[in-house]
Amino acid sequence: QQPVQSPQAVILREGEDAVINCSSSKALYSVHWYRQKHGEAPVFLMILLKGGEQKGHEKISASFNEKKQQSSLYLTASQLSYSGTYFCGTVKTGANNLFFGTGTRLTVIP
Amino acid sequence: EAGVTQFPSHSVIEKGQTVTLRCDPISGHDNLYWYRRVMGKEIKFLLHFVKESKQDESGMPNNRFLAERTGGTYSTLKVQPAELEDSGVYFCASSQDWARTGQGTPRESAREKLFFGSGTQLSVL
Repeated sequence: QQPVQSPQAVILREGEDAVINCSSSKALYSVHWYRQKHGEAPVFLMILLKGGEQKGHEKISASFNEKKQQSSLYLTASQLSYSGTYFCGTVKTGANNLFFGTGTRLTVIP
Repeated sequence: EAGVTQFPSHSVIEKGQTVTLRCDPISGHDNLYWYRRVMGKEIKFLLHFVKESKQDESGMPNNRFLAERTGGTYSTLKVQPAELEDSGVYFCASSQDWARTGQGTPRESAREKLFFGSGTQLSVL
């Protein structure tokens, strides 16, 4: 039931951009994005509801294409503080709980 | 405001022993969730409480796992007897609302966001 994330890992230099994708085989009602730094709790970034909306959080934004059952997280002009593992969580239409993907490990180097 | 707290942060036990994990959600959050992450894999859903009731426990691996939330406040997750494959990081999370899709009421998405605890690293040897 969990969504599939890609890539599994990415290394960026400060200032570079990255896109993390999240896709599901089921119709989705909403998508959540969280970031976890090593040894810490996952921290909420944003929720997207069906309707193809796009949201932003600092220089991190996301889109949700409900027809394709996909969401993408965009990180622009990456900073060292962006390093961590990014998880998407999906809520299927008709279901009530959040299922997470395997995560994308992002490393930003100077 | 205090966040979600979990205790202990680490636990090392031998196969066959019992371990009890505790989670204190954010005050006023009716929804409490347990998740588990095994190294390199997804954060796997275990169960969801709404107040003291189990809304969904479909992710619980087997009857060696018992979760309770007496009084609708803190929750405990007991593993008895523990097996090697139970090792991993157990996360607790809480939220104000949950994703009640199809209910027909306007949703305030911000109320559905999960606040996670730092997790309990369980190692079964």
